[in-house]
Amino acid sequence: QKEVEQNSGPLSVPEGAIASLNCTYSDRVSQSFFWYRQYSGKSPELIMSIYSNGDKEDGRFTAQLNKASQYVSLLIRDSQPSDSATYLCAVRGSGGSNYKLTFGKGTLLTVNP
Amino acid sequence: DADVTQTPRNRITKTGKRIMLECSQTKGHDRMYWYRQDPGLGLRLIYYSFDVKDINKGEISDGYSVSRQAQAKFSLSLESAIPNQTALYFCATSATGGWGPQHFGDGTRLSIL
Repeated sequence: QKEVEQNSGPLSVPEGAIASLNCTYSDRVSQSFFWYRQYSGKSPELIMSIYSNGDKEDGRFTAQLNKASQYVSLLIRDSQPSDSATYLCAVRGSGGSNYKLTFGKGTLLTVNP
Repeated sequence: DADVTQTPRNRITKTGKRIMLECSQTKGHDRMYWYRQDPGLGLRLIYYSFDVKDINKGEISDGYSVSRQAQAKFSLSLESAIPNQTALYFCATSATGGWGPQHFGDGTRLSIL
């Protein structure tokens, strides 16, 4: 059973701070990694995709991938109250399971004004 | 208009009733998925389909059935609803054969009394 682990939180940061969200995964040969944001009662919304080791930046968001350590993270700079949500890490399976995304249970982020 | 549309958005029904949730998409994707989300359990895959003639069970298919009526339409049925099927249900799509993400509909909140 391939697993994706996230701290459930809540992670609380002040407005304007950097929020750091972490995720580890068990499938060593996974190639595709995603971060979704989910507001309470709403659907998951894709915010970042990353496929190669290193950093990928998009606006205030930076995804970091380290395949050797089986670790992916999301940094949110200049956090805003509107960033308060649950953040889901998702990992695409390998080989015959590459149709499948395995989701972590999510980290609840609260940004305090 | 949303790329992935789910109907109904909310449904309250009684134990033993047959229920159908519908999903349609305009993204042109071949792959479609049904998930349920429960507090503390995350997103779990119910069924997935690669095309009209290729339908597969996910990790929690018992008590559910699906129909892929066309490339753009994928419906989920609960033949005889029971209270522990109360959950938030999401349809998702992805492009064929790629490494890309899944894209989610707005969800259906289903309550079974």
